[in-house]
Amino acid sequence: GNSVTQMEGPVTLSEEAFLTINCTYTATGYPSLFWYVQYPGEGLQLLLKATKADDKGSNKGFEATYRKETTSFHLEKGSVQVSDSAVYFCALIRNTGGFKTIFGAGTRLFVKA
Amino acid sequence: DVKVTQSSRYLVKRTGEKVFLECVQDMDHENMFWYRQDPGLGLRLIYFSYDVKMKEKGDIPEGYSVSREKKERFSLILESASTNQTSMYLCASSLPERGTGELFFGEGSRLTVL
Repeated sequence: GNSVTQMEGPVTLSEEAFLTINCTYTATGYPSLFWYVQYPGEGLQLLLKATKADDKGSNKGFEATYRKETTSFHLEKGSVQVSDSAVYFCALIRNTGGFKTIFGAGTRLFVKA
Repeated sequence: DVKVTQSSRYLVKRTGEKVFLECVQDMDHENMFWYRQDPGLGLRLIYFSYDVKMKEKGDIPEGYSVSREKKERFSLILESASTNQTSMYLCASSLPERGTGELFFGEGSRLTVL
């Protein structure tokens, strides 16, 4: 079946540190991949996405590259800020049939000043 | 500005009560979804709808039902609330773009069942 596995948190970093949150997936066919972010007290919002192999999604300094050979979509940012403190969800949706988005468990990030 | 609005941010109900969670979107989206969010489990799909009066079970539909009488409104119903339904409930909507559909979420409804 389809599934998403992401690293457990919480992740605690100092401001300006480098961030990596690992995400791997299992899917039939060729899924589209997403990172969603949930700031405290809010719903989820799309951070970035990639729809085919080797695509790089980017937004607000965050990047993730769709790696088909390793079935991964790791989230990176070169220099985190306190305002990046949130929960990050990796997700996939299949390109063939169905409307369901499959989410990972989420990784909470704390950034200290 | 696109918007998904959930009627209640916080609810406290008693075991056995009937609970209605309402969701309205103003983006004319065909697809609407109800998820529950629990720590360590991420988001799990309860029900979704791809058209008015249409509904499909998600991964955890037991104990829930839904209603979609109008395109913009999707309601989640707990017929007889139980303590294991204490959770954060998130409504979302999307366009019917297969394989690329970004989800737009409401702010969530935190339900506590005593």
